[in-house]
Amino acid sequence: AQSVTQPDIHITVSEGASLELRCNYSYGATPYLFWYVQSPGQGLQLLLKYFSGDTLVQGIKGFEAEFKRSQSSFNLRKPSVHWSDAAEYFCAVAPPQAGTALIFGKGTTLSVSS
Amino acid sequence: DAGVIQSPRHEVTEMGQEVTLRCKPISGHNSLFWYRQTMMRGLELLIYFNNNVPIDDSGMPEDRFSAKMPNASFSTLKIQPSEPRDSAVYFCASSSGGEQYFGPGTRLTVT
Repeated sequence: AQSVTQPDIHITVSEGASLELRCNYSYGATPYLFWYVQSPGQGLQLLLKYFSGDTLVQGIKGFEAEFKRSQSSFNLRKPSVHWSDAAEYFCAVAPPQAGTALIFGKGTTLSVSS
Repeated sequence: DAGVIQSPRHEVTEMGQEVTLRCKPISGHNSLFWYRQTMMRGLELLIYFNNNVPIDDSGMPEDRFSAKMPNASFSTLKIQPSEPRDSAVYFCASSSGGEQYFGPGTRLTVT
């Protein structure tokens, strides 16, 4: 069955430190891959996506993610975290075609300490 | 563009009452999705439409839930009768390609 695993439920990093959020997926072929961010009481905002091509993708707010086929991973990174990055982050996968539903991981809550 | 619009943003109702959630997708998007978010189950798909046609409703919990998309610019999710376990945040999302854009959600509380 298709699934997404985000092994870290909660991560705390210091402001200015680097960040990596882990995401592993189980899928028969290379799926479409996404990272979304959700601030408290808000909807989900798309950070970045991978469909094909260059395995390192750039997103909004200074985030990037790297697709590693051999590890079935799509980890999210940011070189320097800002206090405003505190939120919940969701990794998601979908079949490699338009008009299909997302399967989400359970999410990782990021706290930023000063 | 206004993005995906959902109404109401908050709904408090008593058990047994009918609840209708509304969604206006982004203009030009041909796919619409309804998701539910709870602490216990996370984000889960309820139903989705392509070109106003329901494609997969396997996530709809039971017959108390129904969804319609009468045209390309409007969809409803109805719960009748509502139960306390339906309390959750319900999100609508729309898409014209691979990525989906989410509305702000409707927080439903059933007492």
